[in-house]
Amino acid sequence: DMKVTQMPRYLIKRMGENVLLECGQDMSHETMYWYRQDPGLGLQLIYISYDVDSNSEGDIPKGYRVSRKKREHFSLILDSAKTNQTSVYFCASSLNRVEQYFGPGTRLTVL
Amino acid sequence: GMPVEQNPPALSLYEGADSGLRCNFSTTMKSVQWFQQNHRGRLITLFYLAQGTKENGRLKSTFNSKERYSTLHIKDAQLEDSGTYFCAGLNSGGSNAKLTFGKGTKLSVKS
Repeated sequence: DMKVTQMPRYLIKRMGENVLLECGQDMSHETMYWYRQDPGLGLQLIYISYDVDSNSEGDIPKGYRVSRKKREHFSLILDSAKTNQTSVYFCASSLNRVEQYFGPGTRLTVL
Repeated sequence: GMPVEQNPPALSLYEGADSGLRCNFSTTMKSVQWFQQNHRGRLITLFYLAQGTKENGRLKSTFNSKERYSTLHIKDAQLEDSGTYFCAGLNSGGSNAKLTFGKGTKLSVKS
């Protein structure tokens, strides 16, 4: 059963703290993505990873960085989180950069 | 205009009714995905289409790349169909491929 997992599912942090969101997939997909979703909006692309150590900025990369050291794991890092980074974050993976499979999301609150 | 425009923004149906949702694209898209976001925030993939029409139970989706639109038709609406429906267009294949999401249609099904 194809699966994308995200940890943690819920996180509360204070402004200025560092945040690490983890994503895993068991499908050996090369390409992985990080999105954020804000109320009333669709998902916005933060970063794409084409494979290990091959990452590219999406539409809204400012304030974020990513790490991909193994094909099955893709991390999103917020160094010194800001209150406007409160959002729901979704990870996705894709075999052929066409159809994407999404994780359950992480709800991040920055106080 | 918006690269992906979804209509209507919100829709209210009684159980048993039929209705359709539409996405218009400002540019030619290679493919489209439709998602339902349930009350828990989970994104459920409904369809992936590169062209033509697909059906799954009470749902049917059509994608016309040349005319730059996609539709999702819901037949015999049920309470569990409530949620927000997103379409997302894939702009191209290869290394620049990315999904662009619409803002969603919030569907409420009432008994």
